[in-house]
Amino acid sequence: TQLLEQSPQFLSIQEGENLTVYCNSSSVFSSLQWYRQEPGEGPVLLVTVVTGGEVKKLKRLTFQFGDARKDSSLHITAAQPGDTGLYLCAGGYNFNKFYFGSGTKLNVKP
Amino acid sequence: GAGVSQTPSNKVTEKGKYVELRCDPISGHTALYWYRQSLGQGPEFLIYFQGTGAADDSGLPNDRFFAVRPEGSVSTLKIQRTERGDSAVYLCASSFVWGRIGEQFFGPGTRLTVL
Repeated sequence: TQLLEQSPQFLSIQEGENLTVYCNSSSVFSSLQWYRQEPGEGPVLLVTVVTGGEVKKLKRLTFQFGDARKDSSLHITAAQPGDTGLYLCAGGYNFNKFYFGSGTKLNVKP
Repeated sequence: GAGVSQTPSNKVTEKGKYVELRCDPISGHTALYWYRQSLGQGPEFLIYFQGTGAADDSGLPNDRFFAVRPEGSVSTLKIQRTERGDSAVYLCASSFVWGRIGEQFFGPGTRLTVL
């Protein structure tokens, strides 16, 4: 059983569309991280959120941590083919141990 | 600068054999992590080192798995009597962290296939 559930599992959209992916848990986390992973490579950290209700923006990406620190969302505006990849969320109970979700596989078609 | 490197990139072995997977973290990073990623899944935590000691090994699936980091830098994940279910990508990550959330930098992984 996954501690973190991500949805949708797969998403295929056209360039220029907006999208939101979700990361949900019944557990409260002290922090939550979002990563992007491309085939044959390790995950690359996009953002860390630590405060309930926190919103962070990274260019066209907007990350939100739920008020209760159990869930998070990632919104991409005007998706581009370069956004294609596996998006993973990871919840941390302390500074150094993280539980990953199974990811959302995003394909942005030109 | 050099990132986290892992060797070998691919390892094919037979059921019952012993394997060692190596991780070279970023120089100066005190924390080192091992994860296992099965097809279609996210990384699964195995073990975390702070310096030379294993601070948390609660993710190791059984006593066939063991990891060391004798000098606080390079780490080796050792798997005895491999089973087909051990087939996965083994990821290593390192970070510099002192009582705060450290950014984990991942290596490209070692793809282990047990025949």
